[in-house]
Amino acid sequence: EIVLTQSPGTLSLSPGERATLSCRASQSVSSSYLAWYQQKPGQAPRLLIYGASSRATGIPDRFSGSGSGTDFTLTISRLEPEDFAVYYCQQYGSSPSLTFGQGTRLEIK
Amino acid sequence: QLQLQESGPGLVKPSETLSLTCTVSGGSISSSSYYWGWIRQPPGKGLEWIGSIYYSGSTYYNPSLKSRVTISVDTSKNQFSLKLSSVTAADTAVYYCARYIIAAANYYYYGMDVWGQGTTVTVSS
Repeated sequence: EIVLTQSPGTLSLSPGERATLSCRASQSVSSSYLAWYQQKPGQAPRLLIYGASSRATGIPDRFSGSGSGTDFTLTISRLEPEDFAVYYCQQYGSSPSLTFGQGTRLEIK
Repeated sequence: QLQLQESGPGLVKPSETLSLTCTVSGGSISSSSYYWGWIRQPPGKGLEWIGSIYYSGSTYYNPSLKSRVTISVDTSKNQFSLKLSSVTAADTAVYYCARYIIAAANYYYYGMDVWGQGTTVTVSS
């Protein structure tokens, strides 16, 4: 079973700054099977990125994903107030199965 | 616009079976390439995939929960359901249903793009 480890656990930044969130897999993951989600308090998660780098419908272009193999990154180029939330990476694996990372909390500094 | 809605008891006693239903509206549960999943989130914690089903009835379960989970589909009602047996306090969580797409041609995963609002289930006597 592939384990996804996200870092940092909490990221404190100011609006307008750049955010870089990491997701590391315990084994190589196909880029086709890596997604990112945003979750705000009291809400269901929202799909941001699929295929490691493709933005989901309606997602602003300040959100971008990159990476391959075991290391993936979600970048938010210029933080807006509404971007402060928890972010999860997820992989779709063999069996088939789905695994989430433990999340990164992005908080206002 | 596709919408998902979870329903079921908000309180379940320890050792009993948790039962939830997800109703799909605005689209067909029988569409090819669409898979239907259950995900849960304990209070203050992260997301855990419970299992998924395809409209044909093929099921896929999280190995850590497999012995207690049954997911079924009723295409006539456009619903799919979750049963989790022998529940304990550790099963207290918000339970979400969600759709994800896997392209048959190239097995590409398009992510969980539609989610229900979630329903809180508390396990307590």
